[in-house]
Amino acid sequence: NFLLTQPHSVSESPRKTVTISCTRSSGVFVNNYVQWFQQRPGSVPVTIIFENDQRPSGVPDRFSGSIDSSSTSASLTISGLRSEDEADYFCHSYDYNHEGVFGGGTKLTVL
Amino acid sequence: QVQLVQSGTEVKKPGASVRVSCKASGYTFSANYIHWVRQAPGQGLEWMGWIDPDSGNTNYARKFQVRVIMTRDTSITTAFMELSSLRSDDTAVYYCTRAGGDFYWGQGTLVTVSS
Repeated sequence: NFLLTQPHSVSESPRKTVTISCTRSSGVFVNNYVQWFQQRPGSVPVTIIFENDQRPSGVPDRFSGSIDSSSTSASLTISGLRSEDEADYFCHSYDYNHEGVFGGGTKLTVL
Repeated sequence: QVQLVQSGTEVKKPGASVRVSCKASGYTFSANYIHWVRQAPGQGLEWMGWIDPDSGNTNYARKFQVRVIMTRDTSITTAFMELSSLRSDDTAVYYCTRAGGDFYWGQGTLVTVSS
């Protein structure tokens, strides 16, 4: 199995852009999609990115997902930060046995 | 619209078992795997396993393999997760989520394990 490592916390000012990384401890993301979930305090997680870079309907295009060229790291970028973006963000993928793996989560603070 | 509606809050004693249900609607139940995920108080998300509603095949996280059973009843489009030999550190919110493309989440079921 592998681990997904995220920064514990990030902070940025409104209207700025922030990027949250999600790095695999081993292997590559090829053939194993990455998802990103947003969880506000006391709420159910919400999918904001699936299959590496796809946005569900209703998720603004301020949110974008990508995989780096080596396929060992994924990123979630949020542009035009708003106060309502303040939440925990979790990345998710699968290993070769199709077992799910979550990152530890990143707490985003909008200053 | 896709909906996953879970059963209500449970309080269990250590050593007991709990069964959480997840009623799916708004899509073809057999077409998407159902995953179970839990979140202990103040902690992150933890993947427990999935069930293929079409075949009934399952894949459990190694941590839960001896204690979890995931089943489904296609006649009522409902998935079930049973966790046995409960301990205090099993206290968590348990979520079902529909995978495959956009992930849809149930509202969560709080399971409290306390003597």
